[in-house]
Amino acid sequence: EAGVTQFPSHSVIEKGQTVTLRCDPISGHDNLYWYRRVMGKEIKFLLHFVKESKQDESGMPNNRFLAERTGGTYSTLKVQPAELEDSGVYFCASSPPYTFGSGTRLTVV
Amino acid sequence: GNSVTQMEGPVTLSEEAFLTINCTYTATGYPSLFWYVQYPGEGLQLLLKATKADDKGSNKGFEATYRKETTSFHLEKGSVQVSDSAVYFCALSEGPYGGATNKLIFGTGTLLAVQP
Repeated sequence: EAGVTQFPSHSVIEKGQTVTLRCDPISGHDNLYWYRRVMGKEIKFLLHFVKESKQDESGMPNNRFLAERTGGTYSTLKVQPAELEDSGVYFCASSPPYTFGSGTRLTVV
Repeated sequence: GNSVTQMEGPVTLSEEAFLTINCTYTATGYPSLFWYVQYPGEGLQLLLKATKADDKGSNKGFEATYRKETTSFHLEKGSVQVSDSAVYFCALSEGPYGGATNKLIFGTGTLLAVQP
C-alpha cells in the first residue's frame, strides 16, 4: 500500500516568491493534516482537513499560507509571498491510522 | 494550553548503553501519548503509544509508561544500537479514538547519536 507522498522533497526559493507543496494521503483516509518544524524546534500543527473541509486551521501562521483539498483527495499548501522565517520542514499526515509523509524541506533565501 | 516538554539533546551514547529520554506533558483532559522517531532522511514513524494512565507502550525494545501522577511518558531502552540513532519526538493528542483523528502536539525532539 502506498504511504503518504509529499513533493517536492526539497525546495529552495527566494524571498517574495510563491511555493506550492503537495501532499497525497493514503487512499481512503478522510483526515489530512499539515505540520511544520522550523529551525529544529517542535513540530507544530498547521491545519486539519476532514475530506475537503477545514476542520481546524488554528495553527496557520498568517494569511500568506493557503491550504486546499479539492475533492477530498490530495492537498496543497501554498506560501505566497514566502518569507525567510517560513523555512523549515513541512510534514503532511493522514489518518486513521496516523501516517506521516517524509516531509518537504523548504528553504527561503 | 496543552504542551509537551522533552529533554534537549543531543544525547550521545555508546552502543549497548541504557537510554532514557524524558518527556512531561500538560493537558486539560486525558490525552493519548506517543513517541515518534525520525531516522536520517526519512519521515516520522510512530514508535509506540499509550492511550490511558498506567499503559505501557513498547516496540523494538523501547518502552514508555503513561504516568498520570507525574504527567510523564519517559522513553527507555535497555541497550541501544547504532541503528537507533535518530530524532525522537514525544507527542500528545486529546480526543477520542486514541488520537487517531486529532491534531498532535509535539515536543522539540531529542537527537540521539549512538557510537559503536
